[in-house]
Amino acid sequence: DAGITQSPRHKVTETGTPVTLRCHQTENHRYMYWYRQDPGHGLRLIHYSYGVKDTDKGEVSDGYSVSRSKTEDFLLTLESATSSQTSVYFCAIRRQGGGYTFGSGTRLTVV
Amino acid sequence: QQQVKQSPQSLIVQKGGIPIINCAYENTAFDYFPWYQQFPGKGPALLIAIRPDVSEKKEGRFTISFNKSAKQFSLHIMDSQPGDSATYFCAASESNTGNQFYFGTGTSLTVIP
Repeated sequence: DAGITQSPRHKVTETGTPVTLRCHQTENHRYMYWYRQDPGHGLRLIHYSYGVKDTDKGEVSDGYSVSRSKTEDFLLTLESATSSQTSVYFCAIRRQGGGYTFGSGTRLTVV
Repeated sequence: QQQVKQSPQSLIVQKGGIPIINCAYENTAFDYFPWYQQFPGKGPALLIAIRPDVSEKKEGRFTISFNKSAKQFSLHIMDSQPGDSATYFCAASESNTGNQFYFGTGTSLTVIP
């Protein structure tokens, strides 16, 4: 939707393995965000980026790292996946006027 | 701490009814209050948003009421339809801090035909 693509859409991985999720946008937006969605918690910010190589932590950043080497790509890495990181992950871009557009999400299961 | 508190957690109404979802916040620096609608398997989609310089905003059947002194805002859905059945999230952000949004925990709305 609106030029934002997340991959993969679904992933099952084992505890302790590294995992990288990708967010790709085609509209040259400066701000990009990674959120996780869990029942009873709504959406919580993991990390965000305000430009190439410019990133900052959100409220639940422990165990996650990000990279943005190009405007269009924002990568989220779980260095060593744990069961508590089983979640649905959403990437978002900030539009002119202030609102977000979200991707379709990645459902990650850590077994 | 939850920056934005949302209630109720779930809501069931008959077709044509007017569901109301409420949110409250503490940070007076927040200056943008959007509502998002999410269908199963999809990402949240912006529904309607308000800034604190107005007390009400309408877009089609959706209305936001905003009470700055009480630090509360609510979503009203007029003439609700079964197709409105979804999860609704309120959010708040402060424009000068990278536009991080703080989301409520969501309300699951079911509209019965």
